Amino acid sequence: DTEVTQTPKHLVMGMTNKKSLKCEQHMGHRAMYWYKQKAKKPPELMFVYSYEKLSINESVPSRFSPECPNSSLLNLHLHALQPEDSALYLCASSQDIGRMDEQFFGPGTRLTVL
Amino acid sequence: ILNVEQSPQSLHVQEGDSTNFTCSFPSSNFYALHWYRWETAKSPEALFVMTLNGDEKKKGRISATLNTKEGYSYLYIKGSQPEDSATYLCAFIKGNAGNMLTFGGGTRLMVKP
Repeated sequence: DTEVTQTPKHLVMGMTNKKSLKCEQHMGHRAMYWYKQKAKKPPELMFVYSYEKLSINESVPSRFSPECPNSSLLNLHLHALQPEDSALYLCASSQDIGRMDEQFFGPGTRLTVL
Repeated sequence: ILNVEQSPQSLHVQEGDSTNFTCSFPSSNFYALHWYRWETAKSPEALFVMTLNGDEKKKGRISATLNTKEGYSYLYIKGSQPEDSATYLCAFIKGNAGNMLTFGGGTRLMVKP
């Protein structure tokens, strides 16, 4: 199984809602990532988890809260988001966090904040 | 802020044409360069990981070269097919930044049958 799955595919939420994005991989990868992609822009790294521990947080606002409950699962909890947070959220995983480790991406969750 | 640029932004070619596009990145503090292919409504897919100056990698009709001294990489597609239509993204890793990718803006390739 060389797939990274993400649920839901689409999510519409109000600014007062709390929701979560889910990402799963069963490739035995020990690094997992969240990226944000705004329209017509490249993906931007948000968080990196290595061996289930948060290793990088790219100055992401606290309304985004990542969680790695086990080595196969990565969640992104969303609370009090703003309309400008509307974007495609991509999850990825890699064997480890070395420079040669290609990242396997999920198809993304399209988030709209009203 | 790292400057990773790709050109052209978009490209229309006929089936059978060969094509190439460029990724420019900072030449100092180079660590690695990744190329990804992203078809609409699908997941980005890794094509190549390149680390050494002069590296050349090939996968079928697609190949890539790397020049770390001048800070550029070329991606070549020989005999383009409609199924090659996708956005091609390069991603730069600086210094000892583990696996932190900084993506370029991508080149959108459309191959007409």
